[in-house]
Amino acid sequence: AQSVAQPEDQVNVAEGNPLTVKCTYSVSGNPYLFWYVQYPNRGLQFLLKYITGDNLVKGSYGFEAEFNKSQTSFHLKKPSALVSDSALYFCAVRDPRGGADGLTFGKGTHLIIQP
Amino acid sequence: SQTIHQWPATLVQPVGSPLSLECTVEGTSNPNLYWYRQAAGRGLQLLFYSVGIGQISSEVPQNLSASRPQDRQFILSSKKLLLSDSGFYLCAWSVVESYNSPLHFGNGTRLTVT
Repeated sequence: AQSVAQPEDQVNVAEGNPLTVKCTYSVSGNPYLFWYVQYPNRGLQFLLKYITGDNLVKGSYGFEAEFNKSQTSFHLKKPSALVSDSALYFCAVRDPRGGADGLTFGKGTHLIIQP
Repeated sequence: SQTIHQWPATLVQPVGSPLSLECTVEGTSNPNLYWYRQAAGRGLQLLFYSVGIGQISSEVPQNLSASRPQDRQFILSSKKLLLSDSGFYLCAWSVVESYNSPLHFGNGTRLTVT
């Protein structure tokens, strides 16, 4: 069975500083990995995905994520945080050999950017 | 471009009353459709998914059911709501048979059962 862990319930970063939101995964094959962001009382918005190829993937709003197969991690990063980046972030994984039953999501990490 | 609509945005229902939440997708054909529930603003629980009209897979046996009467319409129902059914319900779609495609979510329905 596939699973995702987001070890931090909350991450606090000062505006302008780099940010990292951590994600580790467990899947039997090569994973498909995704990051989503959720603002209050809204649905999840897709940020970026890793399927294959370059380990550093770039996504929306200046976010990027680094796939590390040996550490089974897919951490979300941004070089300079904005207050507007404050939101709930979800990492998700899918086993490519699996069926249509969606993604397995982590429990989410609250990102708080302090002015 | 594709869009997904969910309604209503908020709903307050008494215990024992019926429920019907509707989700429709525009701009794509034969999507995979999903219902998720999010409790306490955190983790997502997959409730149902559908790969075609009339084809529903249930992930968690509970007081809810789903139907897909048309290609781009997905309905979440209950005959009698329980207090534990309160939560934030999210509909999502993805491209069929493309497991590297992301899910695209609607804006959700906040259900409060009183």
